[in-house]
Amino acid sequence: VQLVQSEAEMKQPGSSVKVSCEASGGTFKSNTVNWVRQTPGQGLEWVGGFIRVSGTPNYAQKFRGRVTITADESTSTGYLELRSLKSEDTAIYYCATRVGATTILGSWGQGTMVTVSS
Amino acid sequence: QSVLTQPPSVSGAPGQRVTISCIGSSSNLGAGFDVHWYQHLPEKAPKLLIYGNNDRPSGVPDRFSGSKSGTSASLAITGLQAEDEADYYCQSYDSSLSNMVFGGGTKLTVL
Repeated sequence: VQLVQSEAEMKQPGSSVKVSCEASGGTFKSNTVNWVRQTPGQGLEWVGGFIRVSGTPNYAQKFRGRVTITADESTSTGYLELRSLKSEDTAIYYCATRVGATTILGSWGQGTMVTVSS
Repeated sequence: QSVLTQPPSVSGAPGQRVTISCIGSSSNLGAGFDVHWYQHLPEKAPKLLIYGNNDRPSGVPDRFSGSKSGTSASLAITGLQAEDEADYYCQSYDSSLSNMVFGGGTKLTVL
């Protein structure tokens, strides 16, 4: 599966951003979408996603309350919405899909740079 | 502070063998959850390198291998090549957090 993400975004502090991730070349299952970010100079950090075959997405504690992850199988697209943006949210955001019922992140998007600055 | 602990950096000369450790706890690696490894080159998407502790996706050279025992895991790279210079991350699932978790990443330098 190839994952193609939306273009870079420049946002003001306090605003929201919605990043998309369109799958092609394989079977897209909405309950496999996850999002991982990398802030400048730091490592990979799991933001949230579907980590079980059934159920709602899970979110990392630090993002709960201001993040929503959704997916639409009809358009083979996953979405990450992050609200109340802070400068510390400046990062490259990657979508990734789980392999079946495992915790393996087998396919990755190319990344979307989100810059939060006034 | 990452849930999985990796050394910040390792280095080796071309042709040598290096290992990267990944230390977890009783709620992730020690609970039996698999560890996976990713290679992250600058300006590129992370790439799955090892899955299920010690399996390689097709196309990954057998110079890369993984192992896991108890609360720790390791990635070994033999016959180091210049193209192996990258950041490497371990990843698993943590039952107390109900989260996917990553190690802090290890920068491999080929001397």
